[in-house]
Amino acid sequence: QKEVEQNSGPLSVPEGAIASLNCTYSDRVSQSFFWYRQYSGKSPELIMSIYSNGDKEDGRFTAQLNKASQYVSLLIRDSQPSDSATYLCAVNARGNNRLAFGKGNQVVVIP
Amino acid sequence: DADVTQTPRNRITKTGKRIMLECSQTKGHDRMYWYRQDPGLGLRLIYYSFDVKDINKGEISDGYSVSRQAQAKFSLSLESAIPNQTALYFCATSDPIAGVRDTQYFGPGTRLTVL
Repeated sequence: QKEVEQNSGPLSVPEGAIASLNCTYSDRVSQSFFWYRQYSGKSPELIMSIYSNGDKEDGRFTAQLNKASQYVSLLIRDSQPSDSATYLCAVNARGNNRLAFGKGNQVVVIP
Repeated sequence: DADVTQTPRNRITKTGKRIMLECSQTKGHDRMYWYRQDPGLGLRLIYYSFDVKDINKGEISDGYSVSRQAQAKFSLSLESAIPNQTALYFCATSDPIAGVRDTQYFGPGTRLTVL
């Protein structure tokens, strides 16, 4: 089982709609969860971090964490063409000194 | 000025050549990392360092070596480059004081092509 899985293929959403991305992780003791945005050929940029069960909102982004089910999700409200990118889920387990990354989900916002 | 810089940004080299990729940071972070990214494979950790005297292998360290010259500098070397080391390489830093809240900040990347 992979440490962090993002299984959805490319996601196309119309401008103004909600984009929903999901990520599951295997290490039950994981403590820190991150979403990075990566434009093609550019470096990953942190957009959200979450550490407790529930929702965390930052502007048009909402991260949702459910430790019992071992998943973390990202919602992008009012999607804009500038949101077109690959979104990487990353997890840092307690006592583990590194981040494990999923392969990423590509989001395409259609004007 | 960028907090995490990488040089060179692009490099084309030939099989068997020795290559060094350099990373510098002004964030004052103790922890530094080297990743490679390949299409469809995501980010994979090559080496990481928690301070000048600490070097650790990541999941794909074979064929690579590193040097932590100072808190702010962490270099990645390919002793004898091979074509399957063609990839996008990223350096990252993080702040240990944050504990488990170990957010990593990435440099702009180096695109390496081995012919």
